[in-house]
Amino acid sequence: GAGVSQSPRYKVAKRGQDVALRCDPISGHVSLFWYQQALGQGPEFLTYFQNEAQLDKSGLPSDRFFAERPEGSVSTLKIQRTQQEDSAVYLCASSLDRESYEQYFGPGTRLTVT
Amino acid sequence: KQEVTQIPAALSVPEGENLVLNCSFTDSAIYNLQWFRQDPGKGLTSLLLIQSSQREQTSGRLNASLDKSSGRSTLYIAASQPGDSATYLCAVRILTGGGNKLTFGTGTQLKVEL
Repeated sequence: GAGVSQSPRYKVAKRGQDVALRCDPISGHVSLFWYQQALGQGPEFLTYFQNEAQLDKSGLPSDRFFAERPEGSVSTLKIQRTQQEDSAVYLCASSLDRESYEQYFGPGTRLTVT
Repeated sequence: KQEVTQIPAALSVPEGENLVLNCSFTDSAIYNLQWFRQDPGKGLTSLLLIQSSQREQTSGRLNASLDKSSGRSTLYIAASQPGDSATYLCAVRILTGGGNKLTFGTGTQLKVEL
């Protein structure tokens, strides 16, 4: 079946603009994760959903970052008033349930803030 | 705070060579450790997962070992091929109240030359 998809694949935003990044997990997957990967670094955890519940948002770097998954499937990561340090690849991953440790990653959205 | 370090940061080898990638972590209270492969512009692909009670896992030409008490893991690649060229990421997993969380290293960028 289809894997995790993310859109857009590339986004260029001017500093101060708001952006919304979309993640479509694998159908039926309960858990959904967002990661931020800066250039030359490993991914860093941002937030975790189990169905529609956001159980862990400890990795969100500031209150400008907001994530939601209102119906327990598609998730959106929103960044308000973007800054240059927000430039990174944003990865989404999903797993079947909270007991499953196999996370399936999407291709990521590369955000460039100019 | 858990920190994961990977050495070397980059490696270039001729085809056919056996090689070892290193990963170290500061907090040994992990649930499991996972090695991923990341190709440019693509998401992460899981290679091997080692539970904290295990010492090693093997898949084809790949062998990963884990020494939890010393906070180290190695990924051994036998008879390297140009198709192995990618960035290899090590990640440790801890259990949280809501689920689980991965902490990634910075990666080793591998190039296998003809």
